[in-house]
Amino acid sequence: QVHLVESGGGLVKPGGSLRLSCAVSGFTFSDYYMSWIRQAPGKGLEWVSYISSGGSSIYSADSVKGRFTIFRDNAKNSLYLQMNSLRAEDTAVYYCARTVQGILLGYYYYYMDVWGKGTTVTVSS
Amino acid sequence: QSVLTQPPSVSAAPGQKVTISCSGSSSNIGNDYVSWYQQLPGTAPKLLIYDNNKRPSGIPDRFSGSKSGTSATLGITGLQTGDEADYYCGTWDSSLSAVYVFGTGTKVTVL
Repeated sequence: QVHLVESGGGLVKPGGSLRLSCAVSGFTFSDYYMSWIRQAPGKGLEWVSYISSGGSSIYSADSVKGRFTIFRDNAKNSLYLQMNSLRAEDTAVYYCARTVQGILLGYYYYYMDVWGKGTTVTVSS
Repeated sequence: QSVLTQPPSVSAAPGQKVTISCSGSSSNIGNDYVSWYQQLPGTAPKLLIYDNNKRPSGIPDRFSGSKSGTSATLGITGLQTGDEADYYCGTWDSSLSAVYVFGTGTKVTVL
């Protein structure tokens, strides 16, 4: 069975750092792209970042560029999100998700087919 | 602020049908496949529809998706109380900053 388990969330002061982890099992991790998505309290979903299966291609939302870094360790079946210079507006539940992407009939497809339960990050003084 | 616009809420009685619209532009929906996600209260999102109209294994055929131009639609027939949830559309946006974008979200209420 496919499982994604996030960890590393917690309370951090503005300007601080945190590293989130996502441990996966039940599928060949190195075959898949992976994404981080977050959801602020009472708000909608916000895509944060994705990384290709081998780690060579990375895209991130403008709101986190230069502050957050996504990376992965395929040998450890793990995905990470290094978050620096945290702000109050980064407070959210952070989800990791297995991602399927490609091009079909000239159109790009990209979707998250398996999600973890999330880990909560609170940025507050 | 999301570039994909959904109605904040829709409602209907059990057994009825609801549709949820997702309006975008040529740089997102008009150019790429759309997916839909269901988020039950207090839980993580779940993939409901991918590639505009395909259902993952285990998703009942009461859920359907379609796309026309720069808009997409999610339909739910035979509405059940267990369908009360937030629903989000999503697609890749290939404008200046290539990013994945979610819709603003729609709360479905079963009356």
